[in-house]
Amino acid sequence: EVQLVESGGSVERPGGSLRLSCATSGFSFNDFGMSWVRQAPGKGLEWVSGINWDGGSTAYADSVRGRFTISRDNAKNSLYLQMNSLRAEDTALYYCARGYGSGSYLAYWGQGTLVTVSS
Amino acid sequence: SYELTQPPSVSVSPGQTARITCSGDALPKKYAYWYQQKSGQAPVVVIYEDNKRPSGIPVRFSGSTSGTMVTLTISGAQVEDEADYYCYSTDSSDNHRGVFGGGTKLTVL
Repeated sequence: EVQLVESGGSVERPGGSLRLSCATSGFSFNDFGMSWVRQAPGKGLEWVSGINWDGGSTAYADSVRGRFTISRDNAKNSLYLQMNSLRAEDTALYYCARGYGSGSYLAYWGQGTLVTVSS
Repeated sequence: SYELTQPPSVSVSPGQTARITCSGDALPKKYAYWYQQKSGQAPVVVIYEDNKRPSGIPVRFSGSTSGTMVTLTISGAQVEDEADYYCYSTDSSDNHRGVFGGGTKLTVL
């Protein structure tokens, strides 16, 4: 069974940093690209960032480029999102999903981790 | 930036056919996917690659495409189909960037 479990969400002040993690199991992690998707309270889904199987290709939404960094550790079957210079508008539930780009869609999702940016 | 446009809401009675549209300039060249999100739950894919249905998804869910518009059709909608539906594709100029439509709230009552 494919499982994705996010962690690392918390309350942070504007300008602060957080690192989200996504632990995976039930599939060959290093065969798949991965993505982060977020959902602000009461709002729609927003694709945030993606990474290919070996980390050689990454992509970001305009809203986070230059502030967020996606990475992965294939030995640990884990995906990460380093979030710097946080803003109030980054407040959202952050989902980890298996898939990246036009080659593989977002087939499996975790349950999300909540990030709140507030002073 | 590239956008996918959906109607904010669609409402049908149980047993009727619900149609949710999604328009985007690059859709003739890009696959579209449809996600169902029920309240408090993570999204679930109901249609992939324009018109394919994953295993476990009821046959009443189908997808179609025509030019710059894709459509999710729920034939004989059930009360349990009430949810938010999102179309998803990749950016017109960057195959690696994902884009979601704004979402459509389907009400079945």
